[in-house]
Amino acid sequence: KNQVEQSPQSLIILEGKNCTLQCNYTVSPFSNLRWYKQDTGRGPVSLTIMTFSENTKSNGRYTATLDADTKQSSLHITASQLSDSASYICVVSAGFGNEKLTFGTGTRLTIIP
Amino acid sequence: DTAVSQTPKYLVTQMGNDKSIKCEQNLGHDTMYWYKQDSKKFLKIMFSYNNKELIINETVPNRFSPKSPDKAHLNLHINSLELGDSAVYFCASSQDLGTGTNEKLFFGSGTQLSVL
Repeated sequence: KNQVEQSPQSLIILEGKNCTLQCNYTVSPFSNLRWYKQDTGRGPVSLTIMTFSENTKSNGRYTATLDADTKQSSLHITASQLSDSASYICVVSAGFGNEKLTFGTGTRLTIIP
Repeated sequence: DTAVSQTPKYLVTQMGNDKSIKCEQNLGHDTMYWYKQDSKKFLKIMFSYNNKELIINETVPNRFSPKSPDKAHLNLHINSLELGDSAVYFCASSQDLGTGTNEKLFFGSGTQLSVL
């Protein structure tokens, strides 16, 4: 069964600090891994998409890593801002096609001033 | 301009009623989707439409019927609402079926459905 597990479930950090969110998956066959940011009351917004051959991808202060051998990914947020408070969802695609996406339940990140 | 817009934002109704949620995208995408996000924040696909044609219908009760009058619109009609239907429903779109490895999904803001 395809599964995506994220840790921690929730995280609180001070503004300006860095943090790293983790994602482990058991999805086969693997096509790509995505990180989404979901603000409260909004839909998810794509941050990064990585294929099997990519092991890191950045989008501003967000840097995602992928280890396809261990089936792990991380999302590192640098110099956090209050606007980073959101849920971060790891999504893995099993083969081609958006209907084959498996979503994690997300990490709820809260940035405090 | 909102890329994927869905209405209403909130929907509160009683068991047994029939309701609809509307979705429109102005991105010129060929594929639209409906997702359900349950209380544990787990997103699961319900339907996928490509150029007005149903591509995928996950194990969703037939009380849920999507309708796509054109490729920019995908509405969701729900008959005989049940308590377990309470969730947030997200509409989404993508340029194609997502066969490209860099395919992005664009989500609407969600419709919070509460069945009493």
